[in-house]
Amino acid sequence: DSGVTQTPKHLITATGQRVTLRCSPRSGDLSVYWYQQSLDQGLQFLIQYYNGEERAKGNILERFSAQQFPDLHSELNLSSLELGDSALYFCASSLGEVFYNEQFFGPGTRLTVL
Amino acid sequence: AQSVTQPDIHITVSEGASLELRCNYSYGATPYLFWYVQSPGQGLQLLLKYFSGDTLVQGIKGFEAEFKRSQSSFNLRKPSVHWSDAAEYFCAVGAMDDMRFGAGTRLTVKP
Repeated sequence: DSGVTQTPKHLITATGQRVTLRCSPRSGDLSVYWYQQSLDQGLQFLIQYYNGEERAKGNILERFSAQQFPDLHSELNLSSLELGDSALYFCASSLGEVFYNEQFFGPGTRLTVL
Repeated sequence: AQSVTQPDIHITVSEGASLELRCNYSYGATPYLFWYVQSPGQGLQLLLKYFSGDTLVQGIKGFEAEFKRSQSSFNLRKPSVHWSDAAEYFCAVGAMDDMRFGAGTRLTVKP
């Protein structure tokens, strides 16, 4: 158990819909990272928040957004969903703000878009 | 930008045999290199990491990796594989503001 929690575990929705994925980091960690894992794209970094502020952006679509709240939990919002958004979405957390700090991964949320 | 190549999509080894998973990276500066393992239905777990210093790095679960700058490689090894090592293994290279993962190598362990 990494100490990172993600809800829900599974999400099934239809094209065009909007969903919110939630992540609670390990106690004391200030950074939250979001990753997408799909069969065709592999594991891709989406976005990072550090202590409430956006710190780094990766291959995140404009239809996707995220935020980190004062209690440090984070939410990833996916809108206007397409079939290709079906993937496993991971959240990770670390104490520091740079990527080469050890990141602890949650179990993921599996999103299926029908 | 940095990139990572894992040439082997799938490897099968017998239990008790040795293992080597290959990883090649591309990065302009001194790389920060990682190996992660993902068991079915689980998130990624860090096995080991290389930042600097000794090029042979020891990790958890009996794994080690060797950094070879001249070959841009960071191969993962284990002298004797256990059935519980069956999983997907990812090599990654990190920078200040980004992390790139390889496509992964799926390890199957034969009894």
